[in-house]
Amino acid sequence: NAGVTQTPKFRVLKTGQSMTLLCAQDMNHEYMYWYRQDPGMGLRLIHYSVGEGTTAKGEVPDGYNVSRLKKQNFLLGLESAAPSQTSVYFCASSYDGQLYEQYFGPGTRLTVT
Amino acid sequence: TQLLEQSPQFLSIQEGENLTVYCNSSSVFSSLQWYRQEPGEGPVLLVTVVTGGEVKKLKRLTFQFGDARKDSSLHITAAQPGDTGLYLCAGVYNFNKFYFGSGTKLNVKP
Repeated sequence: NAGVTQTPKFRVLKTGQSMTLLCAQDMNHEYMYWYRQDPGMGLRLIHYSVGEGTTAKGEVPDGYNVSRLKKQNFLLGLESAAPSQTSVYFCASSYDGQLYEQYFGPGTRLTVT
Repeated sequence: TQLLEQSPQFLSIQEGENLTVYCNSSSVFSSLQWYRQEPGEGPVLLVTVVTGGEVKKLKRLTFQFGDARKDSSLHITAAQPGDTGLYLCAGVYNFNKFYFGSGTKLNVKP
């Protein structure tokens, strides 16, 4: 089992460019999450999904969109990148939304210049 | 504004010392998790606590959930260099939503 994988691992964007981050999990988990991690801020929830075809806003959703067309994939899109979106992005998946472990991917380091 | 406040932010201690990390909130959480993260990797779960007043032990690590389910602590006995890392608490609020604290960066010197 690969667990949770994220592509790409690193990316540099110019302000205004768009991109999509891909998260894939092979554990048949219903719940998937996208977080961003900034120095001194811990992880902040961007969007999450409780099942295929569903998405919901987290703590910091502005400037991001997501889609969960297949159970195993959760995509995070940036339509018009801004320097404030420079961060490390983590995807996670979980069996449920409360008690079970969140399994995290290795992260994507995004720099917006 | 952080929903969960962790303290201290940084901790540098000698091998063999004991330490406690705190996670506090004004909100009630249905459950709380502690994670450990190493540089360049995603967080890895250490423990989940659910019941107010619950205490869980994991070898040299002791986790406690406050009676009112608003706070938690992590105590490490006889810290070792292998304990070095970023410790994060995460509270589940209103089901499905995880809120993470800002983390405690621990450095254990040999």
